[in-house]
Amino acid sequence: TQLLEQSPQFLSIQEGENLTVYCNSSSVFSSLQWYRQEPGEGPVLLVTVVTGGEVKKLKRLTFQFGDARKDSSLHITAAQPGDTGLYLCAGARNRDDKIIFGKGTRLHILP
Amino acid sequence: SQTIHQWPATLVQPVGSPLSLECTVEGTSNPNLYWYRQAAGRGLQLLFYSVGIGQISSEVPQNLSASRPQDRQFILSSKKLLLSDSGFYLCAWSRTGRFYGYTFGSGTRLTVV
Repeated sequence: TQLLEQSPQFLSIQEGENLTVYCNSSSVFSSLQWYRQEPGEGPVLLVTVVTGGEVKKLKRLTFQFGDARKDSSLHITAAQPGDTGLYLCAGARNRDDKIIFGKGTRLHILP
Repeated sequence: SQTIHQWPATLVQPVGSPLSLECTVEGTSNPNLYWYRQAAGRGLQLLFYSVGIGQISSEVPQNLSASRPQDRQFILSSKKLLLSDSGFYLCAWSRTGRFYGYTFGSGTRLTVV
């Protein structure tokens, strides 16, 4: 059973376009993280959200945690080729618990 | 600042041979340590985690084992590799207490032939 569903699985768009990827679950999480992974490297933490409805911005990336803390979205404005990579969401159900990963969204930005 | 080192970066091993992957963390004490395996299209699978020296929890019954001989050292081992052990292995650490996310090593690509 996959507790965190990410959509879409693959996304290929032109440079300069906007996009949103989603992370959904039927479970409530105490915190949720987004990571970006490039080929042959480990995932790198982008953001952690902990409060329902929380919105965090990281340059052109906007992360939102759902009000019920069951889902999250990542919006990228004016995508750049450097945004290409695998985006993973991961959730912790308790404050000290190990986290659960989604399978990721593979994003490719065409120059 | 904290850093995590994982080696080797790539490894090709024959079936039935032993395995030892090492991970060390610098700049912090008493970290939580994790071993993950990442297969294409299957996301990250937690293999082992440790909250202290000598304390190992296994998530998936398998051909692998883990040890934590020192506070900031985590080792993944196998006595006899199987073809199905091939994959991308990632070590990670997190702070104890309130969870802020993981810091991952750069990974080891293991190919069993």
